[in-house]
Amino acid sequence: DAGVTQSPTHLIKTRGQQVTLRCSPKSGHDTVSWYQQALGQGPQFIFQYYEEEERQRGNFPDRFSGHQFPNYSSELNVNALLLGDSALYLCASSLAAGTQYFGPGTRLLVL
Amino acid sequence: TQLLEQSPQFLSIQEGENLTVYCNSSSVFSSLQWYRQEPGEGPVLLVTVVTGGEVKKLKRLTFQFGDARKDSSLHITAAQPGDTGLYLCAGEETSYDKVIFGPGTSLSVIP
Repeated sequence: DAGVTQSPTHLIKTRGQQVTLRCSPKSGHDTVSWYQQALGQGPQFIFQYYEEEERQRGNFPDRFSGHQFPNYSSELNVNALLLGDSALYLCASSLAAGTQYFGPGTRLLVL
Repeated sequence: TQLLEQSPQFLSIQEGENLTVYCNSSSVFSSLQWYRQEPGEGPVLLVTVVTGGEVKKLKRLTFQFGDARKDSSLHITAAQPGDTGLYLCAGEETSYDKVIFGPGTSLSVIP
């Protein structure tokens, strides 16, 4: 049984570009949450998707958007990248409000 | 605004020593989780505490939830090099609420 998977593992972009990160939840899970973890800090909640709808959102600008597909996989899109968007982006899946399982993350570097 | 604080920020100890890390907030949480994160990986859930005053043990790790459900502690007995990592506490005010993470305590256990 595969756990949470994320792709790509690493990514380098330049300021102003757009990026799409992908997440496949653990089998049987229907809820996906995205977090941003800057170096030396704890993860910051971006948003959560359930039944293809954004259910909760943290304090992130509209440049951060997402999507959940019928198979429960999810994408995180970031437009107009800034240097400060450089971070580890974590995806976590759960069954409704149950325990969250985290993926290994995507390391994004914006130059 | 919910805020979780953790102390100490960094901790370096010798193998075999005991240690305690703390997680504090001015908010009341319905549940609080402790995670351990190793470099290049996502956080891994260690325990969830729900009831005020609750104590849970996981081998050499002892977790306590404060009576008022605003704070928690993690005590490690006879630390091992394998305990090295970033220890994160995270809380939810209510079920289905976004998860708020603390900044973490970076633990290094020296053989």
